Amino acid sequence: EVQLVESGGGLVQPGGSLRLSCVASGFTFSSYAMSWVRQAPGKGLEWVSGISGSGGSTYYADSVKGRFTISRDNSKNTLYLQMNSLRAEDTAVYFCAKIGSGGAFHIWGQGTMVTVSS
Amino acid sequence: DIVMTQSPDSLAVSLGERATINCKSSQSVLYSSNNKNYLAWYQQKPGQPPKLLIYWASTRESGVPDRFSGSGSGTDFTLTISSLQAEDVAVYYCQQYYSTLYTFGQGTRLEI
Repeated sequence: EVQLVESGGGLVQPGGSLRLSCVASGFTFSSYAMSWVRQAPGKGLEWVSGISGSGGSTYYADSVKGRFTISRDNSKNTLYLQMNSLRAEDTAVYFCAKIGSGGAFHIWGQGTMVTVSS
Repeated sequence: DIVMTQSPDSLAVSLGERATINCKSSQSVLYSSNNKNYLAWYQQKPGQPPKLLIYWASTRESGVPDRFSGSGSGTDFTLTISSLQAEDVAVYYCQQYYSTLYTFGQGTRLEI
């Protein structure tokens, strides 16, 4: 069964850092691009960042560029999101998603909640 | 960035009736080399992650009931639910993947 399980969320103060992880199973992880998408409480979906299967190409939304870093460890089937200089507006559920060969997000994890508050 | 705009923001439809949700992109998401529209539709129920329904604007994901269909090309797209079931109550999002700066529509809340 194809599965994505996120972890690492929690409460952090403004200006702080957090690293999210997403462990993949049930497919050849290194063959697929991956992405992070977030959803603020009661709001819609916002794409955050993406990474190619090899990790050689990365992409970021303007709202997180320079603060967040996406990476992956294909030997551990794990996707990461390093979040620095966190702001209140980064408060959201963060989902990881497997990007299909065409580009749509075929599989999603259950999400991990990040709360930025003093 | 490509801006995705959905209409309406919310929609109430009776059981068994047709539901139609529209999505407009600020620029074409049709890739001329393969004649494919890089447009997907997702369904999200409360407390759950989004679920892919439609990709390439009109291709149903495996396991998605055939009452769900997608149409359109270029900049204008439609998700149609032919006969609304109670389990279809959800928020629906369109998404473009023409650009790797992926963007979603604001969502359409579908109620009975």
